[in-house]
Amino acid sequence: SQTIHQWPATLVQPVGSPLSLECTVEGTSNPNLYWYRQAAGRGLQLLFYSVGIGQISSEVPQNLSASRPQDRQFILSSKKLLLSDSGFYLCAWSRSDISGANVLTFGAGSRLTVL
Amino acid sequence: GQNIDQPTEMTATEGAIVQINCTYQTSGFNGLFWYQQHAGEAPTFLSYNVLDGLEEKGRFSSFLSRSKGYSYLLLKELQMKDSASYLCAVKDSNYQLIWGAGTKLIIKP
Repeated sequence: SQTIHQWPATLVQPVGSPLSLECTVEGTSNPNLYWYRQAAGRGLQLLFYSVGIGQISSEVPQNLSASRPQDRQFILSSKKLLLSDSGFYLCAWSRSDISGANVLTFGAGSRLTVL
Repeated sequence: GQNIDQPTEMTATEGAIVQINCTYQTSGFNGLFWYQQHAGEAPTFLSYNVLDGLEEKGRFSSFLSRSKGYSYLLLKELQMKDSASYLCAVKDSNYQLIWGAGTKLIIKP
């Protein structure tokens, strides 16, 4: 069966510090991978998605970047965090076929607080 | 613009039935999803509708009317563990998911 791991679960960082959140998927190959951010009272905001190694699509211009160095690894980074980067970050995967009931399976999430 | 509307919060009693509505205005339609999210946890998939009508899965059912841009999630025989947020999401013509802000469901004994 497929599993998705995301870490760290909780992070408290000072403004201006770097960030690295990591996500790995097991039990499948060539998944679509996603980074979402969830703010209180708002819908999930898609930050980045990837359909293959080295292929990253950015949905929202921001202080963050993403990389996919391996087929089942997706990393969210920042060189200098802003206060507005605080939030709940979710990694997700889906099958590569985007039609039909292409269900997203989420990682456990990373709670980032920037002080 | 694209928009998904859901009530912000609902309260129901244990053992009762509750209906959570979702209306959408999107550029195209390629399916509607419902996810459940307990506080502090990740969303988990509940249901998918692409054709009009009712899909039943145990205590949970989801209904879709494409002509009205409307869906609802029906939860029967409510249990305390059903206290969670319920997220409605629509896949648009580009197969991108548009998410509602979620409905927080509070179950009282």
